[in-house]
Amino acid sequence: DAMVIQNPRYQVTQFGKPVTLSCSQTLNHNVMYWYQQKSSQAPKLLFHYYDKDFNNEADTPDNFQSRRPNTSFCFLDIRSPGLGDAAMYLCATSTLGGEKLFFGSGTQLSVL
Amino acid sequence: SQQGEEDPQALSIQEGENATMNCSYKTSINNLQWYRQNSGRGLVHLILIRSNEREKHSGRLRVTLDTSKKSSSLLITASRAADTASYFCATENDFGNEKLTFGTGTRLTIIP
Repeated sequence: DAMVIQNPRYQVTQFGKPVTLSCSQTLNHNVMYWYQQKSSQAPKLLFHYYDKDFNNEADTPDNFQSRRPNTSFCFLDIRSPGLGDAAMYLCATSTLGGEKLFFGSGTQLSVL
Repeated sequence: SQQGEEDPQALSIQEGENATMNCSYKTSINNLQWYRQNSGRGLVHLILIRSNEREKHSGRLRVTLDTSKKSSSLLITASRAADTASYFCATENDFGNEKLTFGTGTRLTIIP
């Protein structure tokens, strides 16, 4: 089945140690998104790609970077994780000009 | 901020009863969507209503939209234990920038 896959499901890192989360999709969607969701809060958009065009939200910290090497894959890099970065990170896709988002199962990041 | 506010924050009802959740937002929209999130998982799209629509049905779901009041409601009829989840509204603004902004969510618990 076509889907959005996030790996790993759970990630533990140390304070200040760089970490990369990955997302892949078999839907061939043009738009990919990264959301951060802290406990009992709304998902918050960090950035999104419209094909290869990168769109950063104004309040996304510089500590967060992203790469999209091709249509299928997208990565979230956290250069120096702080305790406040512990959260669920959700990847989503949509079609060009589409409205409905397809989400992966998320990666739960813990920072020790 | 466009972020929606949902009401109530938490709702517990008996199985078989109807559940109603409300969402308010702040700016003009192209559409409003509802998503469901099981604990610790990604979000699943439930239904989309466009700004020129007033009501939409899908199975046991009924969504209404009042653009004059900038509000929407989600009704789940004949609730089941499996409906226990968090429900989020999300709005696509009319700026044409392909972004969804999520509300704060309602945590629904169905008591068997």
